[in-house]
Amino acid sequence: DTAVSQTPKYLVTQMGNDKSIKCEQNLGHDTMYWYKQDSKKFLKIMFSYNNKELIINETVPNRFSPKSPDKAHLNLHINSLELGDSAVYFCASSRGGGYTFGSGTRLTVV
Amino acid sequence: RKEVEQDPGPFNVPEGATVAFNCTYSNSASQSFFWYRQDCRKEPKLLMSVYSSGNEDGRFTAQLNRASQYISLLIRDSKLSDSATYLCVVVGYSGGGADGLTFGKGTHLIIQP
Repeated sequence: DTAVSQTPKYLVTQMGNDKSIKCEQNLGHDTMYWYKQDSKKFLKIMFSYNNKELIINETVPNRFSPKSPDKAHLNLHINSLELGDSAVYFCASSRGGGYTFGSGTRLTVV
Repeated sequence: RKEVEQDPGPFNVPEGATVAFNCTYSNSASQSFFWYRQDCRKEPKLLMSVYSSGNEDGRFTAQLNRASQYISLLIRDSKLSDSATYLCVVVGYSGGGADGLTFGKGTHLIIQP
């Protein structure tokens, strides 16, 4: 059983489109996160949710919106995609300091 | 000053050698420290936590120096499978909850046969 699973694994789309990436964790963790890893391999936090409450919102464009229907899911919706959004997006979850990452979604905007 | 700084490398090291790299962090209120390993096109995975007293896990030793705000990782008897990017990670706490993980840019290690 995959602990943190995200779909799709690869996503190629045109500029201006709207897309969503889904994430689910079966670890019973309290907090879920979205991280972005750009072409320079730098991992940076985008959002985190703790019991359906947004507790971090870094300076990301408001085209990005996290949606958490329940504690086990944190989806990422992106409107009006831009070339600069191309990156690998990692979902993660944590409880008490232990973090587990999903395998990543490689987004390419053309 | 960046929050977490690491030498990006690459470090080219012969198999069997000992290699060490450091990381510095800027937030003196940081509470927890980790080393993560990331293989090419894979997700980061926890390698080890870092404690003030220093800790060892097999061939890996991690140390924390709070006064100087740096963290180190030592790998002894390096194996080909140690080739990866090693990410220094710092966790800060403020207000009501964790700030999540702050990653360094990673140090790329290549073990050569």
